[in-house]
Amino acid sequence: AQSVTQLDSHVSVSEGTPVLLRCNYSSSYSPSLFWYVQHPNKGLQLLLKYTSAATLVKGINGFEAEFKKSETSFHLTKPSAHMSDAAEYFCVVSATGGGNKLTFGTGTQLKVEL
Amino acid sequence: DVKVTQSSRYLVKRTGEKVFLECVQDMDHENMFWYRQDPGLGLRLIYFSYDVKMKEKGDIPEGYSVSREKKERFSLILESASTNQTSMYLCASSLRQVAKNIQYFGAGTRLSVL
Repeated sequence: AQSVTQLDSHVSVSEGTPVLLRCNYSSSYSPSLFWYVQHPNKGLQLLLKYTSAATLVKGINGFEAEFKKSETSFHLTKPSAHMSDAAEYFCVVSATGGGNKLTFGTGTQLKVEL
Repeated sequence: DVKVTQSSRYLVKRTGEKVFLECVQDMDHENMFWYRQDPGLGLRLIYFSYDVKMKEKGDIPEGYSVSREKKERFSLILESASTNQTSMYLCASSLRQVAKNIQYFGAGTRLSVL
């Protein structure tokens, strides 16, 4: 069985300040973890993925995430928010042997203010 | 670039109508998926297909069926639409190993059932 919890449904930051979107996962198998972003009226786009290589994963648009097995976390960060980062972000878990599917978190809406 | 195309961005249907949502991908991906997205619930898997004429139920298959007659096309069918099927529907495709491969999403179809 696998599950994912996004700890904040909404996050608001000022432009130029750091972004932290929190995600905890549960998996009976060695997981793969993804972050996807969805801009208004658009489909989901992959930001980054972890598949058992380096624990610090760099993605597009300056985002990165760190896989911490001891904390079962995969938090998404960015040093400096930009207005164009305003979107909904989804943390996703999957596991070989855990069924042929992804499990999505409920999403975190990021608001970036001037 | 991978392209996943959903035939309609917006649809309005009446209760009891039969509804077809079409999805086409151009990257020769083995897997195709239909999700439903509702506020606060994230994405929930309705059905997926790992090969032509093959399908597996996802988490919420009730009230839906699917068809995959060609590798590039995956159709979602609402046999008799109901108001609780008003939602955003997202199609995705991926290479065979779901746990490690990126899913590519279409822009979505927003369905309203009146």
